[in-house]
Amino acid sequence: DAGVIQSPRHEVTEMGQEVTLRCKPISGHDYLFWYRQTMMRGLELLIYFNNNVPIDDSGMPEDRFSAKMPNASFSTLKIQPSEPRDSAVYFCASSEGQGVGYTDTQYFGPGTRLTVL
Amino acid sequence: DQQVKQNSPSLSVQEGRISILNCDYTNSMFDYFLWYKKYPAEGPTFLISISSIKDKNEDGRFTVFLNKSAKHLSLHIVPSQPGDSAVYFCAASALGAGNMLTFGGGTRLMVKP
Repeated sequence: DAGVIQSPRHEVTEMGQEVTLRCKPISGHDYLFWYRQTMMRGLELLIYFNNNVPIDDSGMPEDRFSAKMPNASFSTLKIQPSEPRDSAVYFCASSEGQGVGYTDTQYFGPGTRLTVL
Repeated sequence: DQQVKQNSPSLSVQEGRISILNCDYTNSMFDYFLWYKKYPAEGPTFLISISSIKDKNEDGRFTVFLNKSAKHLSLHIVPSQPGDSAVYFCAASALGAGNMLTFGGGTRLMVKP
């Protein structure tokens, strides 16, 4: 398997523009996670899905952020409008879902480095 | 409120010596702990984990120790190699939390030749 795929790898945009980050999880994985990494806050969970359904979006910073998972092989994280403080590296991760009582290993994509000018 | 803390932002070690990375947590519901390693421009990769029913787990040069009473875990790398230079993240999860992981802020390890 190719692992978790994210696109684009780098995104530079201007304040106020819409940004869409994309993720393809590992085939067969039931869980998908979106993280943001910044110097100040480290690696923080934004939202995660189980079987394409959003389970916990309490980490999404504002209404400007939204995430979708229309099918098992694709997810998007959208920021509209973007602001300079959104500049960070955004990671997508997926895990298998072994069932109740297990914590799965999460496999991360390479990340998207977002710069908002 | 940071539930998982890595108080040392960086650590420098000589090649061949032991590296000890520390992690503290506050949530007593955490019952599974993981270490991830991250190289620049790459995503974190899983390194080793430990369940709360154990106090030690070993995998080659890597050993994780868990002290539940102190809410503390550590990662030992012996012997350290220059290729181990990376950022190491400690993560924790709680049973019933739906596979959610809470990460520490990371420790940058530099292994000098």
